[in-house]
Amino acid sequence: EAQVTQNPRYLITVTGKKLTVTCSQNMNHEYMSWYRQDPGLGLRQIYYSMNVEVTDKGDVPEGYKVSRKEKRNFPLILESPSPNQTSLYFCATHRTSGAGELFFGEGSRLTVL
Amino acid sequence: AQSVAQPEDQVNVAEGNPLTVKCTYSVSGNPYLFWYVQYPNRGLQFLLKYITGDNLVKGSYGFEAEFNKSQTSFHLKKPSALVSDSALYFCAVREIGNNAGNMLTFGGGTRLMVKP
Repeated sequence: EAQVTQNPRYLITVTGKKLTVTCSQNMNHEYMSWYRQDPGLGLRQIYYSMNVEVTDKGDVPEGYKVSRKEKRNFPLILESPSPNQTSLYFCATHRTSGAGELFFGEGSRLTVL
Repeated sequence: AQSVAQPEDQVNVAEGNPLTVKCTYSVSGNPYLFWYVQYPNRGLQFLLKYITGDNLVKGSYGFEAEFNKSQTSFHLKKPSALVSDSALYFCAVREIGNNAGNMLTFGGGTRLMVKP
């Protein structure tokens, strides 16, 4: 079964405590992305990766880091979380084709106190 | 630059009635257009997409969408709404030929409420 798996699904943390949200896919897709979803703002892209060791900033990259050491994994790193990073985060993958649709993970709800 | 507008934060409809969720877009060239649905505590699921050809696109769960190039719109429709259609709906656009990783732009979402 095609899957995009995110962990953790829910996390409450405190300002400044480093955390990592993992994302793994089993579809052998080249492209992977991270989005954050905030009410009224839809989904905004944080970072994306077009292949292993190839990453680039999306629309809202400040305060986040990513890495793509393996094709299947694309972790999102918050080095020093702040309350304005409280949000719902989604990992997504898609094939190289421009017309291909995105496949989303189930989401990770992060609260930074 | 590409953008998407969903002018309604919420759409209310009675079960059995037709529904429309509106979407307009802006791209420099020609678009690929998508609709996604999000149920509570779930990720987004693909509903349908317009690539080329027939302006009326049929998708999952009985939904369809009509591409109108002159009005730059891609409204989502269903002839008879179900209570189970209640969810958050997102329209998204990608300009054809834009193969960069940041190629998909989402609208702000429209909450559909179907009442029995």
